[in-house]
Amino acid sequence: GAVVSQHPSWVICKSGTSVKIECRSLDFQATTMFWYRQFPKQSLMLMATSNEGSKATYEQGVEKDKFLINHASLTLSTLTVTSAHPEDSSFYICSAEGEQGYTGELFFGEGSRLTVL
Amino acid sequence: QKEVEQDPGPLSVPEGAIVSLNCTYSNSAFQYFMWYRQYSRKGPELLMYTYSSGNKEDGRFTAQVDKSSKYISLFIRDSQPSDSATYLCAMSVSDSGYALNFGKGTSLLVTP
Repeated sequence: GAVVSQHPSWVICKSGTSVKIECRSLDFQATTMFWYRQFPKQSLMLMATSNEGSKATYEQGVEKDKFLINHASLTLSTLTVTSAHPEDSSFYICSAEGEQGYTGELFFGEGSRLTVL
Repeated sequence: QKEVEQDPGPLSVPEGAIVSLNCTYSNSAFQYFMWYRQYSRKGPELLMYTYSSGNKEDGRFTAQVDKSSKYISLFIRDSQPSDSATYLCAMSVSDSGYALNFGKGTSLLVTP
């Protein structure tokens, strides 16, 4: 099946710094990518929908100035956590819609675990 | 009330057992139902994708959807230790990655 690569898989940073997470579709073009946050023993919570070449659409309660999303190409979307704080520590997962664009073709990255000290 | 309810477990079964995982939901407009498997510290992997009611079988996995009861199930036959993971149900109104509603996931442990 299609592969979505996410990097880094884990990162530790100091409070106040910014962290960038990359999400790449390796063998298909992804017009739409999604970013989720998952806390321990909790379900995936959609943070934002990223469309290539346009601004991301953020879910209610997600600060767009804190979680910067860029989808500059059909194979790459990035999430930057700006001025990270300990409460931002979480597991961040991206997913990409395949070219058919339906839920059966939604592929997830491996996730990125962020720890803010 | 959350739209999707899933017992977090943990569920422990011996190798070879039949596993039954379930989710209930409240939104009758859901039409697309998925089951994902998530290993520890990894992203979810799609196992089953079904539309509307009925059964779907793929190898050792069978997905059932009962829209009248707002209840979906995933059965795993001849369970293996490698099946130990968290299983997430997800569902949506439209066939798009947007607005997928996930359950919290059920942690499954298959013991040798």
